[in-house]
Amino acid sequence: EPEVTQTPSHQVTQMGQEVILRCVPISNHLYFYWYRQILGQKVEFLVSFYNNEISEKSEIFDDQFSVERPDGSNFTLKIRSTKLEDSAMYFCASKDGEGSEKLFFGSGTQLSVL
Amino acid sequence: QQPVQSPQAVILREGEDAVINCSSSKALYSVHWYRQKHGEAPVFLMILLKGGEQKGHEKISASFNEKKQQSSLYLTASQLSYSGTYFCGTENNAGNMLTFGGGTRLMVKP
Repeated sequence: EPEVTQTPSHQVTQMGQEVILRCVPISNHLYFYWYRQILGQKVEFLVSFYNNEISEKSEIFDDQFSVERPDGSNFTLKIRSTKLEDSAMYFCASKDGEGSEKLFFGSGTQLSVL
Repeated sequence: QQPVQSPQAVILREGEDAVINCSSSKALYSVHWYRQKHGEAPVFLMILLKGGEQKGHEKISASFNEKKQQSSLYLTASQLSYSGTYFCGTENNAGNMLTFGGGTRLMVKP
């Protein structure tokens, strides 16, 4: 089965530093998402992206966050100035249709902010 | 608004059955069920669309009661491999973002 790939699998950074999390969605998919999961808690929606623009975002996705699809394959999440509370597992997901299609999740990037 | 799942945790012996519930205060268009093993990404189980359908996947099935804005996941004759955290995700309209519940931790013991 095709996969969503994420890099790096682990990222350690100092508070205040910028991080970029990378994702390669499944090639024919058009809808892209970022979710995060703080250890032991639920999976929280951050942002959805379609047709080169954000379609929805949550309260968590403030001005410190941005997303980009710099080329035809990558989908990135940037956190401009990381905070301790940004430590979490970040999942990228994609789907091919507009309707209620299943989401394909990547294996995640564990971000640790020190 | 996130859906509410119950129970928060279940411990079973192999071969026993379990039911996990997911309810929303808002009208639902669809309910998705995912299972997550520790340290891994959520894995899709099934989608139920409004219309009250029931779906099955091996010995795991689910129902969706649109009027009650509830879905239930049924695990029968549980296996060790069923252990993990089960999340329901809900959509209020077609194509909306998926909002996940708090999860139900299921542990199946030999």
